[in-house]
Amino acid sequence: DAGVIQSPRHEVTEMGQEVTLRCKPISGHNSLFWYRQTMMRGLELLIYFNNNVPIDDSGMPEDRFSAKMPNASFSTLKIQPSEPRDSAVYFCASSLTGMNTEAFFGQGTRLTVV
Amino acid sequence: GENVEQHPSTLSVQEGDSAVIKCTYSDSASNYFPWYKQELGKRPQLIIDIRSNVGEKKDQRIAVTLNKTAKHFSLHITETQPEDSAVYFCAASANSGNTPLVFGKGTRLSVIA
Repeated sequence: DAGVIQSPRHEVTEMGQEVTLRCKPISGHNSLFWYRQTMMRGLELLIYFNNNVPIDDSGMPEDRFSAKMPNASFSTLKIQPSEPRDSAVYFCASSLTGMNTEAFFGQGTRLTVV
Repeated sequence: GENVEQHPSTLSVQEGDSAVIKCTYSDSASNYFPWYKQELGKRPQLIIDIRSNVGEKKDQRIAVTLNKTAKHFSLHITETQPEDSAVYFCAASANSGNTPLVFGKGTRLSVIA
């Protein structure tokens, strides 16, 4: 397996534009997590899915953020409209639920909103 | 929900010395405690983990200890080397179905040659 795959690796966009981040989890993993990493706040959990169902989105900062998981092999995180303070590295991770196993991270998407 | 505190935020040690990073957690139901290492510009990767039925675990130069009563756990790196320089994150979760990893804010370790 190629691991968790995220795209794009880098995204530079203008304030107000819509941004869509994509993630393909490891095949067979049934939990998927979106994290945001900044120097000030560290790794923050935004939302996580179990068996494609959103379980907890309390970490999503605002209504401008939304996430979907239409099937077991794909998830998106969308920001609309984007703002400069959204600039961060966004990580997707996947794991097997309920077995206290390792969460595997993707390479991350570095988002810059200018 | 779970809250994980990590200290120190930065740590500098001389090559060959030991480094210790400490974390506390709030949810007594947490029973899985992994440690991740993140090198500059890369993804976090698991280096060692410990479950609540164990008090200590060792893997070569790294070891973790867990005190469930006090709700704290620590990472110990002995004989540090320059390639140990990275950001280290502790995390905690409960094996109660759908609980994700909650991370500490990280410790930036610098090993000075």
